[in-house]
Amino acid sequence: SQQGEEDPQALSIQEGENATMNCSYKTSINNLQWYRQNSGRGLVHLILIRSNEREKHSGRLRVTLDTSKKSSSLLITASRAADTASYFCATETNTGNQFYFGTGTSLTVIP
Amino acid sequence: EAQVTQNPRYLITVTGKKLTVTCSQNMNHEYMSWYRQDPGLGLRQIYYSMNVEVTDKGDVPEGYKVSRKEKRNFPLILESPSPNQTSLYFCASSPRQAPDEQYFGPGTRLTVT
Repeated sequence: SQQGEEDPQALSIQEGENATMNCSYKTSINNLQWYRQNSGRGLVHLILIRSNEREKHSGRLRVTLDTSKKSSSLLITASRAADTASYFCATETNTGNQFYFGTGTSLTVIP
Repeated sequence: EAQVTQNPRYLITVTGKKLTVTCSQNMNHEYMSWYRQDPGLGLRQIYYSMNVEVTDKGDVPEGYKVSRKEKRNFPLILESPSPNQTSLYFCASSPRQAPDEQYFGPGTRLTVT
């Protein structure tokens, strides 16, 4: 399978702390995206980083990409209880228009 | 409101009884896709479509069919459902412009007994 993996599978932190989750993938990519999913609901796009970019910021989100290691990280700063959700990375392959999602990190932010 | 809609949201059926899950988007998006989500496996792509009349297999296409006769609709067809197709299904669309984010529907929870 080409599917990526995320680490950790679950993360529990106190409100105000930073949350970091990592994604590893297997193929060459056009871009990598991070999505958020609240329990059982549709995914919501958070941020996209292209294969020629190394770091990107959006509000409290910071994403890094290391194509040599085929890995990415998502940092959520100053977390809030409302950030409690599952977070998935998704890669778009550069050989077609397929997407591969990671297995997800379940984040719990304790008020 | 820009959105992706799916119907039905919940479906319980029996093995072998053909079913269709509809997906529609009102954003004039070129790209549409179906995913299934299973515990511990994340989302896996079933089929995708770059444009009308153009469809391609994703990672797990076996047991599924799709069609793209109109730009806005991308139904998922299970000709002979089996219990291993019990899953949470998501439809998504993308404008295929930078950024290539996908917009997801609310999901369809399918149970095959």
